[in-house]
Amino acid sequence: TQLLEQSPQFLSIQEGENLTVYCNSSSVFSSLQWYRQEPGEGPVLLVTVVTGGEVKKLKRLTFQFGDARKDSSLHITAAQPGDTGLYLCAGAFNTGNQFYFGTGTSLTVIP
Amino acid sequence: DAGITQSPRHKVTETGTPVTLRCHQTENHRYMYWYRQDPGHGLRLIHYSYGVKDTDKGEVSDGYSVSRSKTEDFLLTLESATSSQTSVYFCAISELAGANTGELFFGEGSRLTVL
Repeated sequence: TQLLEQSPQFLSIQEGENLTVYCNSSSVFSSLQWYRQEPGEGPVLLVTVVTGGEVKKLKRLTFQFGDARKDSSLHITAAQPGDTGLYLCAGAFNTGNQFYFGTGTSLTVIP
Repeated sequence: DAGITQSPRHKVTETGTPVTLRCHQTENHRYMYWYRQDPGHGLRLIHYSYGVKDTDKGEVSDGYSVSRSKTEDFLLTLESATSSQTSVYFCAISELAGANTGELFFGEGSRLTVL
């Protein structure tokens, strides 16, 4: 079993709709990152959150780190076809070199 | 874009044969990672390196070995490939460790099929 579980695994929505992706764990992380991966490419970092309760916004994307630093959410407002891709959360602990990735959410935005 | 090159990009091999994947970076980053990507599992860490000749196991290291003899190169070897190792393999680099909120930069992936 992986440390970070994401839900839903697949999401298909119409352009203009809102959506939320969840990243959950029973472990406490020192930081949580979100990456987006397009087909045939490697993941690219979107955001890093480090404080419990922290909220960061990146245009139409809103990221939140849970108060207990065990979970995170990604909310997209008015989704566009360009948002299509695989979204991955990744956590790190306050000691160690590793990044632990979630199970991934595949988003398809239909024009 | 971070300078990361993976080779080969595609490989088909037979069960029981050895396979080596290469990751080459031009960024002089200290940390290098090998992940495998399978549907429903996101990315899972195989091995990583925190310096020349310094490596450690990840969560799915069985059947894999690595070597890093130079800062810029990190090799992943499957000593005797099995069908369960059919996957897409990603190399990533980072200037800082996970504990220091490093950012991972990924290569374009190597698709391996074991028949």
